[in-house]
Amino acid sequence: EAAVTQSPRNKVAVTGGKVTLSCNQTNNHNNMYWYRQDTGHGLRLIHYSYGAGSTEKGDIPDGYKASRPSQENFSLILELATPSQTSVYFCASGEGQGGNTLYFGAGTRLSVL
Amino acid sequence: GQQVQQSPASLVLQEGENAELQCNFSSTATQLQWFYQSPGGSLVSLLSNPSGTKHTGRLTSTTVTKERRSSLHISSSQTTDSGTYLCALITGNTGKLIFGLGTTLQVQP
Repeated sequence: EAAVTQSPRNKVAVTGGKVTLSCNQTNNHNNMYWYRQDTGHGLRLIHYSYGAGSTEKGDIPDGYKASRPSQENFSLILELATPSQTSVYFCASGEGQGGNTLYFGAGTRLSVL
Repeated sequence: GQQVQQSPASLVLQEGENAELQCNFSSTATQLQWFYQSPGGSLVSLLSNPSGTKHTGRLTSTTVTKERRSSLHISSSQTTDSGTYLCALITGNTGKLIFGLGTTLQVQP
């Protein structure tokens, strides 16, 4: 069973502060993704990666950076957090190609005050 | 507009009844997946079904690619089926999933 672990599970941050969300997968998947989920918008793709050293912009990348230092780890960085970034963030991994199944982490609930 | 539209938005059933969830999409899909999300929980992949009919347990998915629609049938619903069912499609070879807003199912005892 694919395992994707996110940390922290909950985070409260102050406006203007830096926030780093971490994701680790143990399945040697090439692709990793960061989504946020908001009522009325569903899940939206922020950044994704095809492998170590690669990051690509998703559909809503503004205000976010991503880092993929290794096959296993993919981080989402909010350099200057804003209240509009309050959301639930999900990391996912997949083998790649058009038919891959995605495996999701448990999510991180972020509140920016 | 929304590339993936799901209906109904919510559904309430009595235990034992069947559920039919619909997904319509505006782009050509190379892959279509159904996910289950428990209340306040993470997403679990149920079925990958780019075309045709697939079964797993009490779930049946039918995708008609030409008509850009997919359905998920849940037979003999149970209270533990309650949650949100999400349809997602992949276009091209990026592996990027585009999600619908989901159907929230509540199964009452």
